[in-house]
Amino acid sequence: KNEVEQSPQNLTAQEGEFITINCSYSVGISALHWLQQHPGGGIVSLFMLSSGKKKHGRLIATINIQEKHSSLHITASHPRDSAVYICAVLETSGSRLTFGEGTQLTVNP
Amino acid sequence: DAGVIQSPRHEVTEMGQEVTLRCKPISGHDYLFWYRQTMMRGLELLIYFNNNVPIDDSGMPEDRFSAKMPNASFSTLKIQPSEPRDSAVYFCASSPTFLGNEQYFGPGTRLTVT
Repeated sequence: KNEVEQSPQNLTAQEGEFITINCSYSVGISALHWLQQHPGGGIVSLFMLSSGKKKHGRLIATINIQEKHSSLHITASHPRDSAVYICAVLETSGSRLTFGEGTQLTVNP
Repeated sequence: DAGVIQSPRHEVTEMGQEVTLRCKPISGHDYLFWYRQTMMRGLELLIYFNNNVPIDDSGMPEDRFSAKMPNASFSTLKIQPSEPRDSAVYFCASSPTFLGNEQYFGPGTRLTVT
């Protein structure tokens, strides 16, 4: 079992739909990181959070430390949101950063 | 600011050769990270620096890999000797703090070792 699991692995949506990507982890963490990787390969750091919720534009990230779960929500999805979304956790034992395998999101017009 | 700058963008080299990847972080950022991405292993953190000092290099795969940060505006990742399994995209990122802020990624260096 991977320490960080994302679901779904692949997601196809229609423009305008509300999207949720999930990340579950099995270790104690001090923070969780959401990344976006564009089709061209470039990586954008979306959120670093250790509790509660963060919002930036149409993106919302939440984390529940007790349940060891985080979600990334995209409201009013757009084709330009098509990318791979990667979750990474920073373990409390040190500075080890463990990555999930990513969720491939495709938003069709 | 121009963002995180990496060079070269593409590198093709033969097995056994020394490879040096370069990174210029965003000015004022105290943290610098080196990542590697492959199809097989996904993204991996190799090493990170705080104020030019290496803090955690537990992700560096082998002694063939070394990283330095001689000053706040420059870092290198060196592979000597290179092997075909080192072929990957290497990303550099910087951030003002370790936990509180998102990181800013460079465009990556695509390394191919033949």
